[in-house]
Amino acid sequence: QVQLVQSGTEMKKPGSSVKVSCKASGGSFSNYGIAWVRQGPGQGLELMGAIIPIFSTAKYAQKFQGRVTITADESSNTAYMELSSLRSEDTAVYYCARGRGRGDLYNFAYWGQGTLVTVSS
Amino acid sequence: EIVLTQSPATLSLSPGERATLSCRASQNVSSYLAWYQQKPGQAPRLLIYDASKRGTGIPARFSGSGSGTDFTLTISSLAPEDFAVYYCQQRSIWATFGQGTKVEIK
Repeated sequence: QVQLVQSGTEMKKPGSSVKVSCKASGGSFSNYGIAWVRQGPGQGLELMGAIIPIFSTAKYAQKFQGRVTITADESSNTAYMELSSLRSEDTAVYYCARGRGRGDLYNFAYWGQGTLVTVSS
Repeated sequence: EIVLTQSPATLSLSPGERATLSCRASQNVSSYLAWYQQKPGQAPRLLIYDASKRGTGIPARFSGSGSGTDFTLTISSLAPEDFAVYYCQQRSIWATFGQGTKVEIK
């Protein structure tokens, strides 16, 4: 059974960076994509980017290009999302999510528990 | 970017009633459309993928239909645990979500 466990709540100052981790267990890691989706307070869902660990190269939503970096460490089955130049509008719950199967990256069948990132001076 | 518009924004129904939720895409997404359920404080849950296929463990009262630009999620008889927010999501080009429909108890 696939499980995604994320790192804990973060409180950050405007202009700083945050790095959230997502550890996968219960299934293959390298061949399956991990995506990062965020949800602002009372808002909808927004895909930030995704990576297939075996290929290493991440793909990003245009809105976050230049500010977000998604990486994966195959040795620890952990994916990371780093967001820089934080502003108050980045206050949100950040989820990692995995697709249904190999080659099915964007049907998000498995989700982490979410990490609340609060940006405030 | 493909924009998904969900309607209505809020649906007020009683347990046992039928719920019909709509999702319209700004361009053709073929059958690359999924539906998620989200309850307060929880991560979304995949209900339907590829327009009409139920996810693992999803009850048969949930069904999806449509193709191209118009899609529907139907809950045949609302159970108490079905009151939640529902999102549609396309994966034809990148992946984008609709703004959600809240199904609330009448």
